[in-house]
Amino acid sequence: KNEVEQSPQNLTAQEGEFITINCSYSVGISALHWLQQHPGGGIVSLFMLSSGKKKHGRLIATINIQEKHSSLHITASHPRDSAVYICAVAPGTASKLTFGTGTRLQVTL
Amino acid sequence: NAGVMQNPRHLVRRRGQEARLRCSPMKGHSHVYWYRQLPEEGLKFMVYLQKENIIDESGMPKERFSAEFPKEGPSILRIQQVVRGDSAAYFCASSPNRVPDTQYFGPGTRLTVL
Repeated sequence: KNEVEQSPQNLTAQEGEFITINCSYSVGISALHWLQQHPGGGIVSLFMLSSGKKKHGRLIATINIQEKHSSLHITASHPRDSAVYICAVAPGTASKLTFGTGTRLQVTL
Repeated sequence: NAGVMQNPRHLVRRRGQEARLRCSPMKGHSHVYWYRQLPEEGLKFMVYLQKENIIDESGMPKERFSAEFPKEGPSILRIQQVVRGDSAAYFCASSPNRVPDTQYFGPGTRLTVL
């Protein structure tokens, strides 16, 4: 079993839909990261969380430390949101990241 | 403030050759991480370096791979005697502090071994 599990693996949505991507992890962590990988391969850091909730534009990330679970929400989705969304955790006190396998999101008109 | 820079962006090598991948962290960042993404697989940690020191190399293959981050200049990931299985995208990330901190990723180097 992977230390970081994401669901769903693939997601297709229509423009305007509310999207949720889930991440569960099995180890103690110092932080959880949400990353976006564009079709061209570049990786952008969206959020780093150690508790609670963060919001940036149409993106919202939440984390429940007790349940070892995080969600990434996209409101009013747009085709430019099409990308792979990756959950990653920093286990224990380590700096290195352990990654989920990613959720491939396709938003259509 | 320029982002994390990696070069080359694409590198083609024949089996048995050496590959050198360079990473210049963001200004003010002294922590560098190397990650590898094999085709159709997720990202995997390779090595974590701070200036002149290897802090964690638990993800590095035991042979043929080495990394350095000298006092001056970029971090280098070196792969000797490349094999086809080394073909992958290699990403570098940097952060200003150790833990926990946002890691800023470079554009990656795509290595193809013929």
